[in-house]
Amino acid sequence: DVKVTQSSRYLVKRTGEKVFLECVQDMDHENMFWYRQDPGLGLRLIYFSYDVKMKEKGDIPEGYSVSREKKERFSLILESASTNQTSMYLCASRRNLVGNEQFFGPGTRLTVL
Amino acid sequence: DQQVKQNSPSLSVQEGRISILNCDYTNSMFDYFLWYKKYPAEGPTFLISISSIKDKNEDGRFTVFLNKSAKHLSLHIVPSQPGDSAVYFCAASWGGNEKLTFGTGTRLTIIP
Repeated sequence: DVKVTQSSRYLVKRTGEKVFLECVQDMDHENMFWYRQDPGLGLRLIYFSYDVKMKEKGDIPEGYSVSREKKERFSLILESASTNQTSMYLCASRRNLVGNEQFFGPGTRLTVL
Repeated sequence: DQQVKQNSPSLSVQEGRISILNCDYTNSMFDYFLWYKKYPAEGPTFLISISSIKDKNEDGRFTVFLNKSAKHLSLHIVPSQPGDSAVYFCAASWGGNEKLTFGTGTRLTIIP
């Protein structure tokens, strides 16, 4: 079974803080993704990485950066957290084959006060 | 611009009956479609997929239908069970692209 784990289930941070969200997958997947889920907006892609040290912007990258130094780990960084970044953050991974589905972690509910 | 749309935010269905969830898309380049199911406080889990070379794919109680001319897909769940109560997302990709474009989700409630 593919396992995608996220470092925290719930996080509360203050405006202006630097926030790190960590994601680890154990299936040697090449591709990894960060999404945020908001009511009425579905899942929106923030960044993805198609391999180690490779990254590409998704649909809503503003205010975020990412790091992928090892294949199994993909980090999302909020350089200076703002209240509009309060959301559910979901990490996913995928083997780099056509049609292959993405496997999701349990999510991190981030609240920025 | 929402390229994948789920126009029904919620749906209630009696246990044992058929649940039909709908999804429309605007990008004619999309050639691979997926359905995910999400329980509260959990990540989405993959349910079923379909390639644009097919018009139907079945897996147990779940069937996905694709109408390319109408740019429409639907997920049928027969018979519906209480454990099917969840939010369902459709998603699409094209050209073997890693990226998925998700719809906004439909909350399905199965009434016992």
